[in-house]
Amino acid sequence: GDSVTQMEGPVTLSEEAFLTINCTYTATGYPSLFWYVQYPGEGLQLLLKATKADDKGSNKGFEATYRKETTSFHLEKGSVQVSDSAVYFCALSDADSGYALNFGKGTSLLVTP
Amino acid sequence: KAGVTQTPRYLIKTRGQQVTLSCSPISGHRSVSWYQQTPGQGLQFLFEYFSETQRNKGNFPGRFSGRQFSNSRSEMNVSTLELGDSALYLCASIPGTQGGEQFFGPGTRLTVL
Repeated sequence: GDSVTQMEGPVTLSEEAFLTINCTYTATGYPSLFWYVQYPGEGLQLLLKATKADDKGSNKGFEATYRKETTSFHLEKGSVQVSDSAVYFCALSDADSGYALNFGKGTSLLVTP
Repeated sequence: KAGVTQTPRYLIKTRGQQVTLSCSPISGHRSVSWYQQTPGQGLQFLFEYFSETQRNKGNFPGRFSGRQFSNSRSEMNVSTLELGDSALYLCASIPGTQGGEQFFGPGTRLTVL
């Protein structure tokens, strides 16, 4: 079945550092891919998405490109801020799963001043 | 536009009891999904309702059930609570098109003692 694998956290970075959170997936169909962010005590917020190969999703300085050849959707940001400290989830959905979101385990990011 | 509302935000129950959680989706959205979030299992899909009908179901025991009303509000019920049911229960509001974005509420934190 479908699955999503994310790099283990926690990730600790200094403010203005470059961020990469790796995400790879396994799917039998043609999934849509998502990054969600969860701040402490809150629900999930959609950060960005991509629905087909080579699509690039972007939002708030974050970017991720749908790479079918490497089955990856890595999240990047050029310069992180303290306010980016949160847990980041990679997810996919496709017809085979009835479009339910299938999440990775999450990567905790801590940005220090 | 108001966001997704979940009530109550916090709940404490004892083993063997049952509980009902409520979710009001974004106005105009016709589909609601439910997810369970635990430290051990991460985010897992429970079920999805569309126009008062269950459209998709995850791999949870029959103690977990849900329903959707004509105004799109949804409830989920857990009977005969177990310690392992302690979790954050997240509701997602979906416009109606399968595979589209899912907008999450803040969640209900259930603690089973």
